[in-house]
Amino acid sequence: AQTVTQSQPEMSVQEAETVTLSCTYDTSESDYYLFWYKQPPSRQMILVIRQEAYKQQNATENRFSVNFQKAAKSFSLKISDSQLGDAAMYFCAYRSDNNNDMRFGAGTRLTVKP
Amino acid sequence: DTGVSQDPRHKITKRGQNVTFRCDPISEHNRLYWYRQTLGQGPEFLTYFQNEAQLEKSRLLSDRFSAERPKGSFSTLEIQRTEQGDSAMYLCASSLGAGPDTQYFGPGTRLTVL
Repeated sequence: AQTVTQSQPEMSVQEAETVTLSCTYDTSESDYYLFWYKQPPSRQMILVIRQEAYKQQNATENRFSVNFQKAAKSFSLKISDSQLGDAAMYFCAYRSDNNNDMRFGAGTRLTVKP
Repeated sequence: DTGVSQDPRHKITKRGQNVTFRCDPISEHNRLYWYRQTLGQGPEFLTYFQNEAQLEKSRLLSDRFSAERPKGSFSTLEIQRTEQGDSAMYLCASSLGAGPDTQYFGPGTRLTVL
């Protein structure tokens, strides 16, 4: 079964600095998708960035980028120029190309210090 | 912007009562998902619909849980004979059903069983 592991329950970063959140996953499949979702306190989960496993190029969305290492089954999220509004729980998620059962990690709580 | 909506946002019930939640997906999305999220954890997949057909069910979905999507639009999730262990956030998501098939989440229904 596919599992997603986020080894950092909590992280903190100074405003305007850069922070990297870690995610590893376990799968025997070759075609899949990876996602980072952000869940602010008492607010709904929103997509931050996604990566198709068949693409070698790392996805980038403005201040958010990923480091996708397929062989190592690693999918880290880098947030540059951190802002106070980035404070949230961040969830890494995996979805196989064969089904719609999306698997989430336990999350990393990010604190941004002014 | 009409995103995924869920009703009610909060529900407090006594053990043994039945509860029903509603989810309205993004209008052009034909896939709809239910997840359960307990405190400090990532969402866990419960079930998934393609239009009105329920195609996948997690083993987490006990016999007390039933979900419907009668006309392929909104969906309901009913929990019968609620137990204290059912206390959680119930999240609904929807997707277009193509490519990376990104899932967009609603705000959730927080259930408290006393």
